[in-house]
Amino acid sequence: GAVVSQHPSRVICKSGTSVKIECRSLDFQATTMFWYRQFPKQSLMLMATSNEGSKATYEQGVEKDKFLINHASLTLSTLTVTSAHPEDSSFYICSARDVQRASYEQYFGPGTRLTVT
Amino acid sequence: AQKITQTQPGMFVQEKEAVTLDCTYDTSDQSYGLFWYKQPSSGEMIFLIYQGSYDEQNATEGRYSLNFQKARKSANLVISASQLGDSAMYFCAMREVPRNPDKLIFGTGTRLQVFP
Repeated sequence: GAVVSQHPSRVICKSGTSVKIECRSLDFQATTMFWYRQFPKQSLMLMATSNEGSKATYEQGVEKDKFLINHASLTLSTLTVTSAHPEDSSFYICSARDVQRASYEQYFGPGTRLTVT
Repeated sequence: AQKITQTQPGMFVQEKEAVTLDCTYDTSDQSYGLFWYKQPSSGEMIFLIYQGSYDEQNATEGRYSLNFQKARKSANLVISASQLGDSAMYFCAMREVPRNPDKLIFGTGTRLQVFP
C-alpha cells in the first residue's frame, strides 16, 4: 500500500514551453501533497505544499507564477513549470501523506527528471 | 536555524558487515521527528525509519536501527548485515512538530557503497 506515482518519469522540453508533471496517490487519499526539487548530487528542497481544494503554500524563494500547483482531487496534484528555462532542469519529486495513517510519514513518488534545452 | 548535517559524503562497507551513517541536527524545538530515507539510483525516496524526539527507545526496523542521542543531537543510522542492494544515497531528515509538521528538512546525503 501507500504508492505514489509520477508522470512522466522523464521529459525534455524546449526553452519557453510549459511542462506539466502529475503526482498521484494510487491506493490512498492524500489531502496534502508536497513538491520537492533535487539538483544533481544535492539534497531535496521543499518547493511547495499542495492542499486539496485550496491554494498551494510556497516556500520562500519559489516563484508561484512559474511553478503552478493544482490539487484538484484527493489523489492528484499537478506541477506545471511555465516558460521553462535551462536552469529549471532538475529532478522533481512529489510526496503525499495518507490521512488514514501515522501523521508523520510521507510517501514519495519516483520522481520526474526535467531537462530544458 | 533548523539544520541537518551529514558529514560523510561517501561510505564503503563490505557485504555482511554493519555500517553507521552519521547525522546531526540543530533545532530549538522540543518536539521534532527524525527520518532516514534511502534513494537508489532510480531516484525514488524510500522511507526507512523514524524517531520521535520523545521516544525513549531507539527505533528499529529490521536491519535498520537509529542510534538516537538527544543530548548530542545525533541520529545515526545503523545498517546491520549490509547487502549489495543497500548501495544507494541515504538522507537524514527532520520535521519540526509545532512549527511546520509537514515540512521535511533534508541533509546533503551519504552515498553508501557495499562491496562483495
